[in-house]
This record gives sequence, C-alpha cells and structure tokens, in this order.
Amino acid sequence: IAGITQAPTSQILAAGRRMTLRCTQDMRHNAMYWYRQDLGLGLRLIHYSNTAGTTGKGEVPDGYSVSRANTDDFPLTLASAVPSQTSVYFCASSDSPERGMRGAFFGQGTRLTVV
Amino acid sequence: KNQVEQSPQSLIILEGKNCTLQCNYTVSPFSNLRWYKQDTGRGPVSLTIMTFSENTKSNGRYTATLDADTKQSSLHITASQLSDSASYICVVSEREMNSGYSTLTFGKGTMLLVSP
Repeated sequence: IAGITQAPTSQILAAGRRMTLRCTQDMRHNAMYWYRQDLGLGLRLIHYSNTAGTTGKGEVPDGYSVSRANTDDFPLTLASAVPSQTSVYFCASSDSPERGMRGAFFGQGTRLTVV
Repeated sequence: KNQVEQSPQSLIILEGKNCTLQCNYTVSPFSNLRWYKQDTGRGPVSLTIMTFSENTKSNGRYTATLDADTKQSSLHITASQLSDSASYICVVSEREMNSGYSTLTFGKGTMLLVSP
C-alpha cells in the first residue's frame, strides 16, 4: 500500500441495505476525512477525524457514520442506503490539521449507486 | 458563509496555448489556498499550496498567484498539453481559532479540455 486506498472502487447497492466503505492510509497521518462529490456541487465533507479515537461531523453527515479505532483506518458506514446517497466518495488524509494541511491526499474514490 | 467561487466553469483550449483559471473566496480567517487537479475517475491531487505571505508559487507548467487583500487567486497553465485536461479545484483553508484545526471550503472546479 502506498498512500490512501479505498475499497470497493465501485458498488451498486439496493436501497435499505447497509454498506461500509473502507479507507486505509499508510502515511501515519493523524487526520482523515470522508467527502462526497456530486455533479454541480463539488466536494462536501461528510465526517472527519483529527486523530485516532475522535470523529466529527462535516457539512453533510446525515445517514452516515464513521469510526477511527486506529491511525490507519477510517471506514464510512451507510446504515440504510437511500438513492440520494448515490455519489462518488473520496477519503482523504493530512499530516497535521494544526498546520492547516487538512485534506492534502485523496484516495481514488468509490463510486456508489443506490437503486 | 464561507464561499469559494471559480471561473470559468469550463474551458476549451488548443494544445500548446496558455490559460488562466480564477478563484475568488470569502473564507476568513484565512489559513492557506490550494489548487488541486482531478483527472476523470480519480481523486484530486495537490498542485500548489500558498499561505498568506506567499503571492506566487510554481509547479512545473503550473503557476498559482494569490492576492490575500482582494481574496483572489489564479492558476496559470503554460504551454498546455493534452494531459492537462482535467477539473481544477480551488480549496481555501480556514483557521479555527480555538482548536487550531482548519476547515476546507471547496470550489466547484473548472473543467479544462485541451484539444489537439
């Protein structure tokens, strides 16, 4: 692994199903983030974690949950998927939020379609 | 509300030509401004990062400028190549005074197409 890895790269999911998007980084970055990117709306922050053991809500957190049990992993869970959660999801990490470097490195994205 | 506005929304130029993308922001207190390049189907990749005291920064054929007084930035691409076709996203970081952490505000991006 080099950088940030997201899995799966794409997924078609039935509405009402539970889904976890995985994100792993090997750079020992303290801060990690989940964004969704929708046409015409740009990137919007869902949840973030400034350090292992802590999480916070971003701009569009409803319907999503996260956990940060260790430095490397930051999974995003959709408890009961709805079609409006169809989007491309990006995980990101940065070395130090205190230096304003939040979101410096992005994963390759997960394309999720909820039908 | 913090906002980052980019223009134009899309742009088509001929290979070899130069172009300039614009970014205006209202984020305060300002921490830094970044330009990202996002290829289709890929995650954004950082091109430049500028703090308040920096007014220009280059990365190869990419040169970013920052005017913190007018809250404007530009990204100039010289001698464009087909591989420059991508979305260019301006991102401004706001410093949270109490925690020291920062919040990012994203522009919607400029879609650049370099035509042969």
